[in-house]
Amino acid sequence: EVQLVESGGGLVQPGQSLRLSCAASAVSFSDFYIDWVRQAPGKGLEWVGRTRNKAKSHTTAYAASVKGRFTISRDDSKNSVNLQMNSLRTEDTAVYYCTIPYATWGDSWGQGTLVTVSS
Amino acid sequence: QSVLTQPPSASGTPGQRVTISCSGSSSNIGSRDVYWYQQVPGTAPKLLIQRNNQRPSGVPDRFSGSKSGTSASLAISGLRSEDDTYYYCAVWDDSLSGRVFGGGTKLTVL
Repeated sequence: EVQLVESGGGLVQPGQSLRLSCAASAVSFSDFYIDWVRQAPGKGLEWVGRTRNKAKSHTTAYAASVKGRFTISRDDSKNSVNLQMNSLRTEDTAVYYCTIPYATWGDSWGQGTLVTVSS
Repeated sequence: QSVLTQPPSASGTPGQRVTISCSGSSSNIGSRDVYWYQQVPGTAPKLLIQRNNQRPSGVPDRFSGSKSGTSASLAISGLRSEDDTYYYCAVWDDSLSGRVFGGGTKLTVL
């Protein structure tokens, strides 16, 4: 069974940076797209960004709300993906999930990590 | 305001069949595959329907998906109390070059 585990969440002040990590087991990362999806307290799901697989040259895509502030990187040799979040705003407060969409078995999600941006 | 429109709420009684709609446009539902998720508050979303109408292994056949033009629907038959939770549609949007989620529908089993 594929397992994804996010880490790195916490409390930061507006304008600061935070780096989230997502580690996978039981799967070869290089074959898959990895998405980050967030959910603000009491709100719906919001797609944050994507790193595509090796076949797609690991290209990335971002939601307009985070473009230029967030960066996704991956290390397939370590089966890990990072989400570097800079210039954080209060509206970035959310639970952040990493997910493997479009897998042959369906998809996989981590348990989520909470990011709180507050002064 | 999401580019995918879902009704904020839906309801039904045990055993009934309910449908949840997801309305989009030619740049998303009209040209891409739709996915449906179920989410119990405090937990990660669970994939119910992939590629418009395919159920991943383990998803009961009470759940079904369909798509027509720029709209999609999730149908739940034989409604059960454990279906009382939130449902989201999702699709890639070519105009936005990003994935979009519907605003979510809270299903209440009366």
